[in-house]
Amino acid sequence: EIVLTQSPGTLSLSPGERATLSCRASQSVSSSSLAWYQQKPGQAPRLLIYGASSRATGIPDRFTGSGSGTDFTLTISRLEPEDFAVYYCQQYGNSLTFGGGTKVEIK
Amino acid sequence: QVQLVQSGAEVKKPGASVKVSCKASGYNFTSYVIHWVRQAPGQRLEWMGWISAGIGITKYSQKFQGRVTITRDTSASTVYMEVSSLRSEDTAVYHCASPSSWVYYDRSGYFAAFDMWGQGTMVTVSS
Repeated sequence: EIVLTQSPGTLSLSPGERATLSCRASQSVSSSSLAWYQQKPGQAPRLLIYGASSRATGIPDRFTGSGSGTDFTLTISRLEPEDFAVYYCQQYGNSLTFGGGTKVEIK
Repeated sequence: QVQLVQSGAEVKKPGASVKVSCKASGYNFTSYVIHWVRQAPGQRLEWMGWISAGIGITKYSQKFQGRVTITRDTSASTVYMEVSSLRSEDTAVYHCASPSSWVYYDRSGYFAAFDMWGQGTMVTVSS
């Protein structure tokens, strides 16, 4: 099973700042089958990025995914108030596993 | 409007079974694979298994093999997920999820990123 480790656990930032979230896999993720989700309390996850770098339908361009192999990054260029949430990475190239999440909170 | 609508919250005793439904609408149900993912309080999301809605084949996470059964009723565009021998650790929100387009799948055609999610069903296991 591929284990995904997200860092940091919590990111404290102010609106307008840049957020950089990391997801590291225990082995290479095939075909860059890596996704990122945003989850707010009481809601289902919302797909942001698939294929490591493709934005899902309707996702603003301030969200950017990058990386390959075992190291992946989600960058939020300028945080909007609605971006404060928990973010999960997911790999789907070898079965399916999720990371432990990064909480982006208001500083 | 493409959506997945799940059944309501359940409270069960240890050792019992629970069956959660997920009704799809607004897209070609039989063309896609529907997965189940659960999230226990304070825990990460956990993949449980999938069913090919068209041909009915299933695959389960090794952790849930033998204790989880996923079925579907194509006439009702509904997928069901049953967990048996419930224990307190099964207390969680259970989600069905599916990709709405082939662009979200990996090369296997079964695993995918999910742009469609059910609203979640809270299952509480308590004596």
